[in-house]
Amino acid sequence: QVQLVQSGAEVKKPGASVKVSCKVSGYTLTELSMHWVRQAPGKGLEWMGGFDPEDGETIYAQKFQGRVTMTEDTSTDTAYMELSSLRSEDTAVYYCAIVGGYFDYWGQGTLVTVSS
Amino acid sequence: EIVLTQSPATLSLSPGERATLSCRASQSVSSYLAWYQQKPGQAPRLLIYDASNRATGIPARFSGSGSGTDFTLTISSLEPEDFAVYYCQQRSNWPPVCTFGQGTKLEIK
Repeated sequence: QVQLVQSGAEVKKPGASVKVSCKVSGYTLTELSMHWVRQAPGKGLEWMGGFDPEDGETIYAQKFQGRVTMTEDTSTDTAYMELSSLRSEDTAVYYCAIVGGYFDYWGQGTLVTVSS
Repeated sequence: EIVLTQSPATLSLSPGERATLSCRASQSVSSYLAWYQQKPGQAPRLLIYDASNRATGIPARFSGSGSGTDFTLTISSLEPEDFAVYYCQQRSNWPPVCTFGQGTKLEIK
């Protein structure tokens, strides 16, 4: 059974960057396709991007291109999502999720608050 | 980009009643559509994939139907734990993107 454990809540100032981690257990990261989804307070789900096994590359939603970087450390089975140039609208819960066609397994979420 | 529109935004029903939630795509997604349930403070949970297949461990009272642009999630007899927000989601191969509907809140009447 796959388990995803994310890093703790963060408070950042506008213009800063944040890096959220997602530790995988039960499988190795190389066997999985990791994606990231965020949810602003009281709002819906927004896909940010993830690993596309079809071509072996990471794809980003157009909205976040140039500002988000998703990486993996296969030695520790940990995935990372870094979002830069933060603004207040980036305040949200950020989820990692395993995609096997659909979002099958989810992390518990990491609240990122952007405030001056 | 494919847009998913869910209706209604809010659905007020009583336990034991039947719930019917709708998801409409701006263009055909074939059967590549999923439904998720999200309760307050929790991550979403996959309920239905490929429009009509129940995910592992999902009770039989949940069913999905549809193809192309119109999809339905039906909960045959509502249990107290079913009151939550439901999202539909599609995946396209090219461009390889995912989109979610805006959600339907199922609340106790």
